[in-house]
Amino acid sequence: GQQVMQIPQYQHVQEGEDFTTYCNSSTTLSNIQWYKQRPGGHPVFLIQLVKSGEVKKQKRLTFQFGEAKKNSSLHITATQTTDVGTYFCAGAVRGNNRLAFGKGNQVVVIP
Amino acid sequence: GAGVSQSPSNKVTEKGKDVELRCDPISGHTALYWYRQSLGQGLEFLIYFQGNSAPDKSGLPSDRFSAERTGGSVSTLTIQRTQQEDSAVYLCASSRLAPPDTQYFGPGTRLTVL
Repeated sequence: GQQVMQIPQYQHVQEGEDFTTYCNSSTTLSNIQWYKQRPGGHPVFLIQLVKSGEVKKQKRLTFQFGEAKKNSSLHITATQTTDVGTYFCAGAVRGNNRLAFGKGNQVVVIP
Repeated sequence: GAGVSQSPSNKVTEKGKDVELRCDPISGHTALYWYRQSLGQGLEFLIYFQGNSAPDKSGLPSDRFSAERTGGSVSTLTIQRTQQEDSAVYLCASSRLAPPDTQYFGPGTRLTVL
């Protein structure tokens, strides 16, 4: 079945530094979504990307959809303690639009 | 407006007992999903309902798991003869439209099987 792979699975990031998390699919995606789950919380929608090569920004967060629509990245600058949590990407394949979630990237922020 | 709600928030049960978990989606949302999340793990898809269509049950791990959605709104996930490996957080999500529309998650039910 369709799989969406996320790397790395875990990250420890020093407060103030930048980091990137990646999402890869073996099949072309019709769209990709990113969610964030705070410790003890539930996943919350962050953003959706649809177009090839699309880039969207939310303050310190930059989301990118690859040209081939098979990968995506989330880049966070000047990490803050509020960025702690697990970031999930979820991709949909054209014709079978149910989202497939990656296993997530658990981010720990070191003060 | 109100978000997705789930009840109970916590459930402790004994091995072999049946449990029912409830999900109230956002009003007007046509799609409803159940996921399972073990400690520190990702989201495991269980089942998906869309309108009046037959549900997609492809993620249910065994025939001890079943779910129904009544009147296109509230859903109940039933686990029969619970096992210790069923212990996890069960998350419900709904979306206004069919996939791949944005999903809104409930707070989850933490199930502990002793």
